[in-house]
Amino acid sequence: GAGVSQSPSNKVTEKGKDVELRCDPISGHTALYWYRQSLGQGLEFLIYFQGNSAPDKSGLPSDRFSAERTGGSVSTLTIQRTQQEDSAVYLCASSLLGQNEAFFGQGTRLTVV
Amino acid sequence: AQKVTQAQTEISVVEKEDVTLDCVYETRDTTYYLFWYKQPPSGELVFLIRRNSFDEQNEISGRYSWNFQKSTSSFNFTITASQVVDSAVYFCALTPYNFNKFYFGSGTKLNVKP
Repeated sequence: GAGVSQSPSNKVTEKGKDVELRCDPISGHTALYWYRQSLGQGLEFLIYFQGNSAPDKSGLPSDRFSAERTGGSVSTLTIQRTQQEDSAVYLCASSLLGQNEAFFGQGTRLTVV
Repeated sequence: AQKVTQAQTEISVVEKEDVTLDCVYETRDTTYYLFWYKQPPSGELVFLIRRNSFDEQNEISGRYSWNFQKSTSSFNFTITASQVVDSAVYFCALTPYNFNKFYFGSGTKLNVKP
């Protein structure tokens, strides 16, 4: 696609439920990043993929968070047993060979009620 | 350790004023990259500029200019003759040579009033 696409754009879920957030990077981009932005806050790094491998998972807040990437393309961020503090905008970005600027998607706004 | 500091939380100016957004970074790497991103109210981050650590030449793009000084570990961003459409949150970011992570500052919210 022309840009990074994330779905859904908005997600409201009940506390304790699992959610999946999807990211379609720009075609050909091998590097993919997930960030989280809480209301009025900066960007918190979650995980980095190079191809299908995740050499840096250091930002995942807890074992309730996991992510995978298949075919060097689409990535899914899964949050199990959601908590209210998980409410945030989850941003995905991709870049070409990890050597250029990262292009961001519009984000998924997650609200846990 | 890598760190980016944007000490200005929020700045308000009147249209046509010049404004400078400060960015100070910390890194032990000799090769690194610096970025500025704009986040308008719509929420999507928009790439503005990338600069590598070996290129200290300042850059001007229309009303935007960037001043990179390794001696002070700063990468400041100036908007000349600001416009209402410049209102946004601006983020400075740093990434090491292997691009495994973008370290973002906390952002500066710029309000340009008519």
